[in-house]
Amino acid sequence: AQSVTQPDIHITVSEGASLELRCNYSYGATPYLFWYVQSPGQGLQLLLKYFSGDTLVQGIKGFEAEFKRSQSSFNLRKPSVHWSDAAEYFCAVGARSSGDKLTFGTGTRLAVRP
Amino acid sequence: SAVISQKPSRDICQRGTSLTIQCQVDSQVTMMFWYRQQPGQSLTLIATANQGSEATYESGFVIDKFPISRPNLTFSTLTVSNMSPEDSSIYLCSVARGNTEAFFGQGTRLTVV
Repeated sequence: AQSVTQPDIHITVSEGASLELRCNYSYGATPYLFWYVQSPGQGLQLLLKYFSGDTLVQGIKGFEAEFKRSQSSFNLRKPSVHWSDAAEYFCAVGARSSGDKLTFGTGTRLAVRP
Repeated sequence: SAVISQKPSRDICQRGTSLTIQCQVDSQVTMMFWYRQQPGQSLTLIATANQGSEATYESGFVIDKFPISRPNLTFSTLTVSNMSPEDSSIYLCSVARGNTEAFFGQGTRLTVV
């Protein structure tokens, strides 16, 4: 069975600073990987996804993520954080063999200092 | 893309009662998924609902507690039965398109008192 680990529960960064949110997955083959963002009281919005091909994936709102098979990681990055990026971020993995259901990490709550 | 509408958006219910949550999608989909997000927690899959067959439940979830209907390719309901305060969560409906992306409804915030 697949699993996802997000080791950082809370992260605080200053506005304009760079950001990296960590995500490690466990799965026997090449997974589908996703990053979602959830703002307070809002639903989940997809930031980016990886299925195959180029391991550096560009997403919305200036986010990118890099798939590293050797490290079983899919870390999310942004070069300059904006105050509006404060939210909860979820990494998720989908198994090609189990259809479209996703396994989510526990989430990382991002706070942004002015 | 897919637009998903969930009703109700929130509710406060008495323990021992049941609540049915509706999920409407703007186009036909084969599978629909129901997730639960407990306060301060991540999302956990409750079950997968295919049209024309019984839902498939994940470990720890049973049909008697969370009965699901899937009468057609654009609609599903999840009932939370005999509620207790531990059922207070956000319940989310989700659909996927050909393993490209999972779309989520806005969720139903349930509080059981």
